[in-house]
Amino acid sequence: DTGVSQNPRHKITKRGQNVTFRCDPISEHNRLYWYRQTLGQGPEFLTYFQNEAQLEKSRLLSDRFSAERPKGSFSTLEIQRTEQGDSAMYLCASSPPLGTGNPNEQFFGPGTRLTVL
Amino acid sequence: GIQVEQSPPDLILQEGANSTLRCNFSDSVNNLQWFHQNPWGQLINLFYIPSGTKQNGRLSATTVATERYSLLYISSSQTTDSGVYFCAVGDRGSTLGRLYFGRGTQLTVWP
Repeated sequence: DTGVSQNPRHKITKRGQNVTFRCDPISEHNRLYWYRQTLGQGPEFLTYFQNEAQLEKSRLLSDRFSAERPKGSFSTLEIQRTEQGDSAMYLCASSPPLGTGNPNEQFFGPGTRLTVL
Repeated sequence: GIQVEQSPPDLILQEGANSTLRCNFSDSVNNLQWFHQNPWGQLINLFYIPSGTKQNGRLSATTVATERYSLLYISSSQTTDSGVYFCAVGDRGSTLGRLYFGRGTQLTVWP
């Protein structure tokens, strides 16, 4: 049973460029979450998918951010016109369907560390 | 959203010592997880414990949901226990499952 995977692990970009991250959840996990973590802080929620439906978005997710999960499997997070304040670790997590396993228990991927120069 | 406070923010121990990390939360929860974040940033699941007591080797955890706190105990600490420990909770009033994290406890274990 493979865990949550994220690609790339590291991304360095120049201010103003667009970047896209990918998350592959644990097989059969239909719920997927994105979080952002800055230095010295705990992760902060960005958005939540149940299957392909995006059911919750944080106010942290500005218009420059968009997330998709087109077939209810992997998800992508795109940041347009990156700013230096976007530099952070972007974490993806998944949960099994309700009624299986521990309710709402989340399993995290290794993260994508973004540096905006 | 739910407020999560962890204490102490920093903890320095010598190998072999025991420690207790605390997590206070501001509202009723339907999920409480303890994580260890390794130096590469990966969050490792330690416990899923919205209530009750669990033990796993040298680690154990207790959550008293009615009093809105959880404790993580580390016994006979080892240098490999170093890292940041996070408590995260889910809002009992929501079915969507987002987690609210504390700021973590930075644990350093010296040989």
